[in-house]
Amino acid sequence: GAVVSQHPSRVICKSGTSVKIECRSLDFQATTMFWYRQFPKQSLMLMATSNEGSKATYEQGVEKDKFLINHASLTLSTLTVTSAHPEDSSFYICSAELQLRGGGYTFGSGTRLTVV
Amino acid sequence: GEDVEQSLFLSVREGDSSVINCTYTDSSSTYLYWYKQEPGAGLQLLTYIFSNMDMKQDQRLTVLLNKKDKHLSLRIADTQTGDSAIYFCAESTGGYQKVTFGTGTKLQVIP
Repeated sequence: GAVVSQHPSRVICKSGTSVKIECRSLDFQATTMFWYRQFPKQSLMLMATSNEGSKATYEQGVEKDKFLINHASLTLSTLTVTSAHPEDSSFYICSAELQLRGGGYTFGSGTRLTVV
Repeated sequence: GEDVEQSLFLSVREGDSSVINCTYTDSSSTYLYWYKQEPGAGLQLLTYIFSNMDMKQDQRLTVLLNKKDKHLSLRIADTQTGDSAIYFCAESTGGYQKVTFGTGTKLQVIP
């Protein structure tokens, strides 16, 4: 149980296009989801906290207009990378807090984005 | 599918050693990681170990791997209040392959 499904797992897109990444909680409601980005040989960096029904909270240095987050339902949060550039190529992963299951966090399987 | 499990909570006294345990199911795991998340911050990679290693030590941190039992542990010597955080165990088969995380262990250090 407590599975977060992230889709797609890999995507290649052209510069200037937009890419949407979905994060879906399959058997629980997630009022809060987190979006991370991993740079090569570095740790996961928290990009933003996604709250159902309200605006996402972005970490310092993360461009809100470039990384659009929508959390319209209790089971789905999306991250859209707009006007993608090669430097946006990275590994993106979402996470949800298991508030009703004693705590802890569950992670999606990640999305490998390559912008060419 | 792959699964990584760890206990949710650990409380220790300042100056004692902390041992955070993790079990995983994927026998093809190549890399095993320990991440630290402080309140309001992102995940910080603490250390990692290759599956062909039994132990790795880095200052106050010691990672032990029992590949046969698929058991990973993180020992923090002389635990300080600044070590209070959530610690995530994770595994992958390498590079930018899928990374599977545990649910995190919240470490509380009592002064």
